[in-house]
Amino acid sequence: QVQLQESGPGLVKPSETLSLTCTVSGGSVSSGSYYWSWIRQPPGKGLEWIGYIYYSGSTNYNPSLKSRVTISVDTSKNQFSLKLSSVTAADTAVYYCAREGGYCSSTSCSPYFDYWGQGTLVTVSS
Amino acid sequence: QSALTQPASVSGSPGQSITISCTGTSSDVGSYNLVSWYQQHPGKAPKLMIYEGSKRPSGVSNRFSGSKSGNTASLTISGLQAEDEADYYCCSYAGSSTFGRVFGGGTKLTVL
Repeated sequence: QVQLQESGPGLVKPSETLSLTCTVSGGSVSSGSYYWSWIRQPPGKGLEWIGYIYYSGSTNYNPSLKSRVTISVDTSKNQFSLKLSSVTAADTAVYYCAREGGYCSSTSCSPYFDYWGQGTLVTVSS
Repeated sequence: QSALTQPASVSGSPGQSITISCTGTSSDVGSYNLVSWYQQHPGKAPKLMIYEGSKRPSGVSNRFSGSKSGNTASLTISGLQAEDEADYYCCSYAGSSTFGRVFGGGTKLTVL
């Protein structure tokens, strides 16, 4: 059974960088069959896709966050990480890591998130 | 990429059927792309309920079904049960302009 677990500070000051790590067990981030993703949910609001990374290191980010986001992978530790710079109160949210499966071809794409971490609340406040 | 459009809330009585819609554009929900659906209970992580438009993961009740017509995908829950009360989200490929993923705004299902 694949399990994902987020870790990192629960409180970050405005203008600083939010850093989270997702540790994967029961599966490998080196698998070429999946993307490894970050998704967030502000309190009382909906889900927002942040981005993903492939084991090779290729990434894709939400255009609205692209200038501030970096996702990296450490295959030796079976982990992937999120960095979000210049945070404000609007970045306060529960942050989830997730495994993305599905398929994409030249004409269609049908991604889905089949395993999720429990989520970690990050509050941006001085 | 703009969020997909879902009704804010739907409700139904136990045993009834309800349908939640998820409307996008020809670039995301439309074309040949297939959506996924998630159930989220308060304080919990989302759970995959439907993938590739209409497939159910192992362990998900066959009371849950998915379909699509044009730029609108739908999740139908038949034989409503109290434990179905939750928030539901759709998710789609955002299209070739960004190659990203986009979620719907979420629908609160109330079982009366």
